[in-house]
Amino acid sequence: GAGVSQSPSNKVTEKGKDVELRCDPISGHTALYWYRQSLGQGLEFLIYFQGNSAPDKSGLPSDRFSAERTGGSVSTLTIQRTQQEDSAVYLCASSERWRVPGNTIYFGEGSWLTVV
Amino acid sequence: GQQVMQIPQYQHVQEGEDFTTYCNSSTTLSNIQWYKQRPGGHPVFLIQLVKSGEVKKQKRLTFQFGEAKKNSSLHITATQTTDVGTYFCAGLTTVTNNDMRFGAGTRLTVKP
Repeated sequence: GAGVSQSPSNKVTEKGKDVELRCDPISGHTALYWYRQSLGQGLEFLIYFQGNSAPDKSGLPSDRFSAERTGGSVSTLTIQRTQQEDSAVYLCASSERWRVPGNTIYFGEGSWLTVV
Repeated sequence: GQQVMQIPQYQHVQEGEDFTTYCNSSTTLSNIQWYKQRPGGHPVFLIQLVKSGEVKKQKRLTFQFGEAKKNSSLHITATQTTDVGTYFCAGLTTVTNNDMRFGAGTRLTVKP
């Protein structure tokens, strides 16, 4: 697609429920990233994918968080048993290749998650 | 943990004043990129620096990459209200296995 697409753009969920966030990267981009940004805060790295594999999962805050990517394209970030501290904007980004100087990272508009 | 440190966290200036944000890494960077996030928006790429000691300018913005390729700065001359937002640096290290690491960002507010 023309840009990184994320859905839903806004999600309000009850504490304890599971949520699934979707990211559709720019066509042809092999690298995909998930970041979390709490209100007024910086970018917190969660996970990245090179193709379908995720070499680095160290950023995932807890075992309630998981992510997958299939077909080297769409990725889903799943949060189980959501807690109020999970409320944040979840930003997905993609770049053409992995660990190559010069790759620009393109961000989606984000999925705003509110846990009540 | 965070490999790229960015300071200050917040900066409030009067319109017309200059502004600088600094980015530091404990390890050598292959390159560094700068992004701007407007309030309510998402980060947008501004520029990339690759060479040691490189300096690039975009109108009132001046970007520098240190000689040792471990630090970088973004300087805005004569700020305007349109400069409001959070400025992030992002470095590609030669050590980590997790690609671009973003600094925490510097949030700039400009008083008219």
